[in-house]
Amino acid sequence: RKEVEQDPGPFNVPEGATVAFNCTYSNSASQSFFWYRQDCRKEPKLLMSVYSSGNEDGRFTAQLNRASQYISLLIRDSKLSDSATYLCVVKRNSNSGYALNFGKGTSLLVTP
Amino acid sequence: NAGVTQTPKFQVLKTGQSMTLQCAQDMNHNSMYWYRQDPGMGLRLIYYSASEGTTDKGEVPNGYNVSRLNKREFSLRLESAAPSQTSVYFCASKWATENTEAFFGQGTRLTVV
Repeated sequence: RKEVEQDPGPFNVPEGATVAFNCTYSNSASQSFFWYRQDCRKEPKLLMSVYSSGNEDGRFTAQLNRASQYISLLIRDSKLSDSATYLCVVKRNSNSGYALNFGKGTSLLVTP
Repeated sequence: NAGVTQTPKFQVLKTGQSMTLQCAQDMNHNSMYWYRQDPGMGLRLIYYSASEGTTDKGEVPNGYNVSRLNKREFSLRLESAAPSQTSVYFCASKWATENTEAFFGQGTRLTVV
């Protein structure tokens, strides 16, 4: 079983819609959580970190549930420019440092 | 303002050839990572280096070796390339502390024929 699981989608939504992505992780020792965005044929870039209390950045809201080992990302008022793949990332401490583990990504297409 | 620089950007190899992918960062980061990305598989960790002088295997290390040459540079070597190693390779770096951003290079598109 992969350490970080995401629904691959694709999610096709109209402009202005609200869309939510979910992610689960298997290792309870995981320490830090992130959402990254990746555009087609580009490198991943940080969208936002995910904090235990939940956090918001404009139209984006991230939530973490440590008991259920579950992370979510909510996008409100979707824009065409939000079309991308969203990657759930979990950082886990190991004996020699930190390993960043990525989910396979959820594809979002926002249509006019 | 270079960030993470990977070379080459594109490469075609014949089966059995060897090559080294280079990665350098100018942000004084402790940790560096090598990933491969294949369709439907997402980003998979090959090797990482928590700090200068240390390296550790990730999810898919077989067929690869790495060298953390100094704090700036982390190279990935394919000793005998195989078609299964056709992929897009990304190098990344970050501070080792919590909740800090990982910065990625632009990727190397490798085809093994």
